[in-house]
Formats: sequence, C-alpha cells, structure tokens
Amino acid sequence: DIVMTQTPLSLSVTPGQPASISCKSSQTLLHGDGKTYLYWYLQRPGQTPQLLIYEVSTRFSGVPERFSGSGSGTDFTLKISRVEAEDVGVYYCMQTLQLPTFGQGTKVEIK
Amino acid sequence: QVQLVQSGAEVKKPGASVKVSCKASGYSFNNYGISWVRQAPGQGLEWMGWISAFNGNTNYAQKFQGRFTMTTDTSTTTAYMELRSLRSDDTAVYYCARVKRRACDYWGQGTLVTVSS
Repeated sequence: DIVMTQTPLSLSVTPGQPASISCKSSQTLLHGDGKTYLYWYLQRPGQTPQLLIYEVSTRFSGVPERFSGSGSGTDFTLKISRVEAEDVGVYYCMQTLQLPTFGQGTKVEIK
Repeated sequence: QVQLVQSGAEVKKPGASVKVSCKASGYSFNNYGISWVRQAPGQGLEWMGWISAFNGNTNYAQKFQGRFTMTTDTSTTTAYMELRSLRSDDTAVYYCARVKRRACDYWGQGTLVTVSS
C-alpha cells in the first residue's frame, strides 16, 4: 500500500493568515497516463468529507480560490491563502494511483 | 443535483452482518463508480472498496477481503455494502461516495454502524 504522511497533524491559524499542509507519499503518484492522482478533502466538524482539490491542483466546483494545491511526484502541499472561520476542520490527502489510501488528517483550528 | 442518501443507523451484535444502502440521484448512475469509506469514532478516513455501476467490477481493500461485499442495483440506482462477521472495531460511520476520475466527488451523509453485545 502507498503510505500517505501529512504534516503537521494540527495547525492553529489566525484568521486572514495563510496556512499550509504537507502530504508525502511513499512512492510517486505519477501515473503512466501523465496524471498525478492526489486529492485533498476537508471534513468540517460533524460533517461529511468534501472534495477540495483533485489531481494535485484543480479546485473542485464551488471551492474558493483561496485554496490551492501544488506538488509533484511524492511531495504535495495544500495552501489556504487567507484562512477564514469556515475553514476549520480536518484536511485529508488521498491517493488513488493504487488502491486508495488517506493521510492521517490535519486538524485546522482558528486562534 | 447529485445526491447520495444512505440508510439509517444500525446496531448489531458481534458476529452479525450489516447491509447499508446508498440511493443515488441527480446523475447517470451507470456512468460512475461508488466507493465506500469508513470512519471509526475520532479517527481518520479508511477506504474500503470501489464498485463500478457500469459493469459491477470491484476493488477491495485487502483488509476487508472475504467479509465485505459491494453491489449495485441499476434499476433503483442504489449501491449496497455488506460487512459480515462484525467486530467491535467495525463500529464506525460508513460513507458511500460517487467516484469520478478516481475522485470521491460527492458523498452520502454517512451511516453509523454500532457493534455491541
């Protein structure tokens, strides 16, 4: 199985400030078709997970522009340019190059 | 709009089986797959398996091989998962999610399965 490792596991951010979450995979997520199968999800408290970013850097429908994804190979980053109160929750990276696996999650809270 | 509506909470005894349904609407059911993901209390997300609604092809996480089965009914646009030989550590919220381009893009509301004697 591909192991996904997120850092940090928790993050406390002042509203309006940026935040960054790292996700590293145990092997490259680049497929032979040229796509990289890395996704980001947010699970707000008490809610269902929601897709934020697919294939490393494409925002899903309705996701605010303050969310961006980047990276390649085995190293990926989710950035929030200016954190808002509604961004509180647990963020997960997920790979689907092989049978899907999730990172442990990064809990984001507001200072 | 895309909706996945799951069946209600279940309480089961150890050794029993549970079957959860996931009714899809708002899209062409046959053109997408369904993944099942679970979340134990206070824990992270764990992928269990995927089924194609087009042809019934499946992929299972090795951990659940042999006691986990996914099916779909295209006539009612409903996906099902059945987990057998339940143990206390199977207590979790079980989610179905539509799969498009390998992403779980829309999720059901979740079904709490509690395993307790």
